[in-house]
Amino acid sequence: DTEVTQTPKHLVMGMTNKKSLKCEQHMGHRAMYWYKQKAKKPPELMFVYSYEKLSINESVPSRFSPECPNSSLLNLHLHALQPEDSALYLCASSQVGAREQYFGPGTRLTVT
Amino acid sequence: GQQVMQIPQYQHVQEGEDFTTYCNSSTTLSNIQWYKQRPGGHPVFLIQLVKSGEVKKQKRLTFQFGEAKKNSSLHITATQTTDVGTYFCAGPPPMDSNYQLIWGAGTKLIIKP
Repeated sequence: DTEVTQTPKHLVMGMTNKKSLKCEQHMGHRAMYWYKQKAKKPPELMFVYSYEKLSINESVPSRFSPECPNSSLLNLHLHALQPEDSALYLCASSQVGAREQYFGPGTRLTVT
Repeated sequence: GQQVMQIPQYQHVQEGEDFTTYCNSSTTLSNIQWYKQRPGGHPVFLIQLVKSGEVKKQKRLTFQFGEAKKNSSLHITATQTTDVGTYFCAGPPPMDSNYQLIWGAGTKLIIKP
């Protein structure tokens, strides 16, 4: 199984809402990532979890809160977002130390 | 900081013509990866190159890693409509990191109608 799944596919939220994005992989990968991608741009790394511990936080605003409940799941909790946070949010996974990353289909987020 | 420059930004080709995208890094790379993102889709890993001067082929796609490990290219022979998308190169930063990648800006392959 080489699939990374993400839910929901689309999300529209107001600036005062709280929502969560979910990601799951069953490849046995112990590194999981959150990326943000704006139109016509490459993915931009937000967070990395390694062995369920937060390894990298790329100076992401606190309105984004990641969580890794277990080795297969990754969540991104959203609160008080801004319209400029509208983007495609991608989850990825990889073996620790390996470079190739496997991406999920993404959640297209619109903040109104 | 390290930069990975990718050109061109767009390439319009007739179906059946060839396509090439180039990446250049400001520093030596330990490896380089290539990803393809279809319109409305997500990045899909294509290949990783590790050795100086390495050349790898996947059907009509040819990937090269420069001798100095600072540049790479992807060449598609006889493009088909299924090749449409944006091709990204990505390489790890010089500092010790198992996770971070520096991405090129991508080259969008457009097939002329």
